[in-house]
Amino acid sequence: DAGITQSPRHKVTETGTPVTLRCHQTENHRYMYWYRQDPGHGLRLIHYSYGVKDTDKGEVSDGYSVSRSKTEDFLLTLESATSSQTSVYFCAAGQGRGMDTGELFFGEGSRLTVL
Amino acid sequence: AQSVTQLDSQVPVFEEAPVELRCNYSSSVSVYLFWYVQYPNQGLQLLLKYLSGSTLVKGINGFEAEFNKSQTSFHLRKPSVHISDTAEYFCAVSARNQGGKLIFGQGTELSVKP
Repeated sequence: DAGITQSPRHKVTETGTPVTLRCHQTENHRYMYWYRQDPGHGLRLIHYSYGVKDTDKGEVSDGYSVSRSKTEDFLLTLESATSSQTSVYFCAAGQGRGMDTGELFFGEGSRLTVL
Repeated sequence: AQSVTQLDSQVPVFEEAPVELRCNYSSSVSVYLFWYVQYPNQGLQLLLKYLSGSTLVKGINGFEAEFNKSQTSFHLRKPSVHISDTAEYFCAVSARNQGGKLIFGQGTELSVKP
């Protein structure tokens, strides 16, 4: 797991409520990512960060926001959860560009159910 | 933009048989290529990666993959599978000089039967 922890690991919430998922890493990775995993879709990138306070959108960013105030923490927020956001969310981290590029280290996942 | 297509959603195979999981990609720029494995209820872990150099890449657990630029493919192979190889396998692509974002395929579920 390369020192990546996600919390909570499981959450059930109701439509319209805000939800925040937390990712914490201990390896000083520069890049951090949030993906969602759904059957038949593989993993799809929601948002990513290339440094403290530097974030950008991925391919399925609508309805999600992120923040990174410290190197080790990357938060994913659903401002108003919808049933279509029921999914398993994975955080990943890596060094990104550079000599050792591309390998990402993943957390164990956070299973979110929106009723 | 990059995209990845895994040609088989499920691959059933008997123990000790060879297996090939197929992956094609599309990109207008040079890419890095990866295979990740996900065991049940776990995160993903890297099997192997192609960055440059030899087109035949060897990874963990006896897997290997061959990069074929002309066919834009990166198929994963193992000559003899074990029950413990049962998992979901993801092919992924990352464009060079674009921040290391991985774009994943839909996944191939490998089921090894005794």
